[in-house]
Amino acid sequence: GDSVTQMEGPVTLSEEAFLTINCTYTATGYPSLFWYVQYPGEGLQLLLKATKADDKGSNKGFEATYRKETTSFHLEKGSVQVSDSAVYFCALMGDTGRRALTFGSGTRLQVQP
Amino acid sequence: GAGVSQTPSNKVTEKGKYVELRCDPISGHTALYWYRQSLGQGPEFLIYFQGTGAADDSGLPNDRFFAVRPEGSVSTLKIQRTERGDSAVYLCASSPWTGADEQFFGPGTRLTVL
Repeated sequence: GDSVTQMEGPVTLSEEAFLTINCTYTATGYPSLFWYVQYPGEGLQLLLKATKADDKGSNKGFEATYRKETTSFHLEKGSVQVSDSAVYFCALMGDTGRRALTFGSGTRLQVQP
Repeated sequence: GAGVSQTPSNKVTEKGKYVELRCDPISGHTALYWYRQSLGQGPEFLIYFQGTGAADDSGLPNDRFFAVRPEGSVSTLKIQRTERGDSAVYLCASSPWTGADEQFFGPGTRLTVL
């Protein structure tokens, strides 16, 4: 079945550092890929998405590129801020018509001033 | 506009009791999802409604779990004979239509079974 693997946290960075959170997936066909973010005390919200190979999703300075050849969707940001401290979840939705999201286990990011 | 709301925000119950968790989706959203998130894990899919009918209930762990959406809006997740292993945050999400990629999540109900 479908699965998502993401790097374990917590990831602790200083403000303005470069961020990479690795995500790889297992799925047949061409799934859609997502990054969701959960800020402290808030619900999950969509950060960015990519629906086909080589697409780049971007939002709020974050980017991720759908790499079919490496089955990866790594999240990057050039300069993190304290306000980016949150838990980040990589997820996929298969292309079989099933609407369920399959999530990774989440990566907690802590940005220190 | 109002987002997805879930009630109660916290529920503490004793092993063996019955609980109901409620979800109010965003107005006009026809697709509704339930997920369960255990501590330190990502959400796991339980069931998906398109309108009033359950289009996919393959994630329900056993027959103690049941969900309804009788009028195509509010949904209730029902758990019978609760067990300690049912303790988790139950998340509800909605989408404007079946083919929409984005799911809008509610704040969740934290269920604790003593």
